[in-house]
Amino acid sequence: GQQVMQIPQYQHVQEGEDFTTYCNSSTTLSNIQWYKQRPGGHPVFLIQLVKSGEVKKQKRLTFQFGEAKKNSSLHITATQTTDVGTYFCAGAGGTSYGKLTFGQGTILTVHP
Amino acid sequence: DTEVTQTPKHLVMGMTNKKSLKCEQHMGHRAMYWYKQKAKKPPELMFVYSYEKLSINESVPSRFSPECPNSSLLNLHLHALQPEDSALYLCASNPGPFRIGGAETQYFGPGTRLLVL
Repeated sequence: GQQVMQIPQYQHVQEGEDFTTYCNSSTTLSNIQWYKQRPGGHPVFLIQLVKSGEVKKQKRLTFQFGEAKKNSSLHITATQTTDVGTYFCAGAGGTSYGKLTFGQGTILTVHP
Repeated sequence: DTEVTQTPKHLVMGMTNKKSLKCEQHMGHRAMYWYKQKAKKPPELMFVYSYEKLSINESVPSRFSPECPNSSLLNLHLHALQPEDSALYLCASNPGPFRIGGAETQYFGPGTRLLVL
């Protein structure tokens, strides 16, 4: 079945440093979504990428979808303590109906 | 109303108990989901309802029984659970309808933290 690999599993940064997490799918995706889960919270939707090569920005966050629609990245510029949490990518594709395959997540810690 | 609500927030149950988790959304979404999430792991899909019909069951043990009484409500009935079933149970919804290989934004509820003793 479809698999989505996400790295790194953990990332510790000093406040102000940049952060990137990467996702790789075993199959071509129809779209990829990114979610953030704060400690003790639930996943919250950040963005959806649909087009090959798409780049979207949300303030300090930049999301990219690869040309082959099999990989994606999330880059945060100048991290802040409010960025702490787990970032998940989730891909849709293949023969499934309405099913997302989640990556393992990257747990981000930001030291002040 | 743009939120998914779940009750209870916390639940402790014994292995012989029967309990139910409830999820509600009033966004007119036609797809509703149950996920199980263990600590430091991604949400793991359990069930999907589309237009109030069960469309995906990810080989979940029968001690978990989903129910969708109407388009706004989703229940998960629990019976004879095991300690390893302790987890955060998340409900989610999205607008639907589905197309092959498609999936829209998931709106997650806050979850029910379940502890099975």
